[in-house]
Amino acid sequence: EAGVAQSPRYKIIEKRQSVAFWCNPISGHATLYWYQQILGQGPKLLIQFQNNGVVDDSQLPKDRFSAERLKGVDSTLKIQPAKLEDSAVYLCASRTSRSGSGGVERETQYFGPGTRLLVL
Amino acid sequence: DAKTTQPTSMDCAEGRAANLPCNHSTISGNEYVYWYRQIHSQGPQYIIHGLKNNETNEMASLIITEDRKSSTLILPHATLRDTAVYYCIVARGYNTGKLIFGQGTTLQVKP
Repeated sequence: EAGVAQSPRYKIIEKRQSVAFWCNPISGHATLYWYQQILGQGPKLLIQFQNNGVVDDSQLPKDRFSAERLKGVDSTLKIQPAKLEDSAVYLCASRTSRSGSGGVERETQYFGPGTRLLVL
Repeated sequence: DAKTTQPTSMDCAEGRAANLPCNHSTISGNEYVYWYRQIHSQGPQYIIHGLKNNETNEMASLIITEDRKSSTLILPHATLRDTAVYYCIVARGYNTGKLIFGQGTTLQVKP
């Protein structure tokens, strides 16, 4: 089974530019998450989708960050315009919601390798 | 969601058991204890979770105290590949659970 795919793996931009990250979750996973991980800190949830609907975006800086999951499969996270403090690793994770899945499977978030963003 | 307290760093000799403690004194009755780890330059990886009973899987064991205010993750025979940041998280499960990561414990396994 393929894991969570993310691209690009690395991105360097100048402040005030825009950038977009892409995530393809594990096939069949209805729940998708975007996290921001600043160096030396744990990941922080930015947004959670259930299929193509937003469940939680309370930590998303909506003045510059946006995310979509139009067909309930892959997702895009955009930053416009970027600031220096946006330099971080952006992680995507997915989780199954299938009722037939075992307890551990339903509880587990599977993370992608992340996109490392450097804003100069 | 309840907060957790973990030591910043720990060392362990290769082949020995690694015991990683976690305090979660404000945990509520419907919250689980989850452990994830993050190896350098990778995304976090699920290890184990439990509610109140001790749990064991192929990766680790989770010991939760009777009052559920603390827990210990045990890696029975640590290898160099277990060097990572280990996160203890308490959260409601499944549909309503949200993982809030702290700074975790950096475990260094030494030869």
